[in-house]
Amino acid sequence: EAGVTQFPSHSVIEKGQTVTLRCDPISGHDNLYWYRRVMGKEIKFLLHFVKESKQDESGMPNNRFLAERTGGTYSTLKVQPAELEDSGVYFCASSQYGGNTEAFFGQGTRLTVV
Amino acid sequence: AQSVAQPEDQVNVAEGNPLTVKCTYSVSGNPYLFWYVQYPNRGLQFLLKYITGDNLVKGSYGFEAEFNKSQTSFHLKKPSALVSDSALYFCAVIYYGNNRLAFGKGNQVVVIP
Repeated sequence: EAGVTQFPSHSVIEKGQTVTLRCDPISGHDNLYWYRRVMGKEIKFLLHFVKESKQDESGMPNNRFLAERTGGTYSTLKVQPAELEDSGVYFCASSQYGGNTEAFFGQGTRLTVV
Repeated sequence: AQSVAQPEDQVNVAEGNPLTVKCTYSVSGNPYLFWYVQYPNRGLQFLLKYITGDNLVKGSYGFEAEFNKSQTSFHLKKPSALVSDSALYFCAVIYYGNNRLAFGKGNQVVVIP
């Protein structure tokens, strides 16, 4: 069974540009999460989808970030325009039931804004 | 407030010695506690979790963790560390009624041959 996959693995963009990250969850997992780790700090929650609906987006830092999950399958996270402080590793995770069930993580996308 | 503390930045241990990675959490309802590990260039991998029941939880790769409610701790342990255990370890908590993981800052574990 394929795990959670994220694309790209690395991205280097200039300040002001747009970047779109993609996450393919494990097939059949209704719950999809985005997290971010800024260098050396905690991994922080960004948002949670249940199927195609945003269940909780309280962790999204500002309106430069837009997440979508059309059709309840893969998800994209767009940053437009990117700022230097957006640099970090963006993790996607999925779980079948949410709540206290373990989430399965992708390998992350390392975003560097220069 | 939900928070998780991993007080040490790095844990160094000799191969074959016991390994302990510390984690404490803030008290707010009944927590669900998790440990994840990140090997170099890999995603986070689930190790174990505590939901309810026996305070000693056994997980993958010979790891275990003990839930201590009075000390609000969930320390990760392994009786005999391997060089291959060198990785970044994250403690995380979900509080009842919530769906998101709140992570600690992570501990780098270095097992010295």
